Amino acid sequence: DAKTTQPPSMDCAEGRAANLPCNHSTISGNEYVYWYRQIHSQGPQYIIHGLKNNETNEMASLIITEDRKSSTLILPHATLRDTAVYYCIVRVRGSQGNLIFGKGTKLSVKP
Amino acid sequence: DGGITQSPKYLFRKEGQNVTLSCEQNLNHDAMYWYRQDPGQGLRLIYYSQIVNDFQKGDIAEGYSVSREKKESFPLTVTSAQKNPTAFYLCASSSLAGTKSSYNEQFFGPGTRLTVL
Repeated sequence: DAKTTQPPSMDCAEGRAANLPCNHSTISGNEYVYWYRQIHSQGPQYIIHGLKNNETNEMASLIITEDRKSSTLILPHATLRDTAVYYCIVRVRGSQGNLIFGKGTKLSVKP
Repeated sequence: DGGITQSPKYLFRKEGQNVTLSCEQNLNHDAMYWYRQDPGQGLRLIYYSQIVNDFQKGDIAEGYSVSREKKESFPLTVTSAQKNPTAFYLCASSSLAGTKSSYNEQFFGPGTRLTVL
């Protein structure tokens, strides 16, 4: 699975959009980009995934660059409950084995 | 409600004692996983299982053992051979490759925080 790079921490004002970047310059053609988040002392929670098109669901939007070497997770209206560590992971969809979680980005939403 | 349960949430043990962490899922998932998380770090895979009565070592299996006698259950034993067992332990499950549901994303339990005194 390709390696990802994320900033260690970010702040966001409550009600504003939170844009979390992820670099995955070695991603291969059949690897998807997945995002999970982990609220303190809880298990990680799946957010969204995509291959090359932008994706949106009830939690977030995922923007993937045309060359697929980077992506951005967007929380359109961040709330205090969105404070968590956000993990960007790339892997072949449907492949078995573990998810490789790096250190992620700690997002702090402030009032 | 469907989901994954881990018990207990907090567990204290004396050094040198074996301890077993419970993980149960009612999602009808074939694959189950155990991860370990240390403060400020990502998750590291201990063991995983894709089918009943079969399991594979992950990156840090030394000092741990598992069993998969039932599809719903994947208990993890932390043995006295594990040199630094104090950590947050997470269990996850997923459907197998090729199945339609959930795009094979992993669903995680709430975790067990083990402290060895």
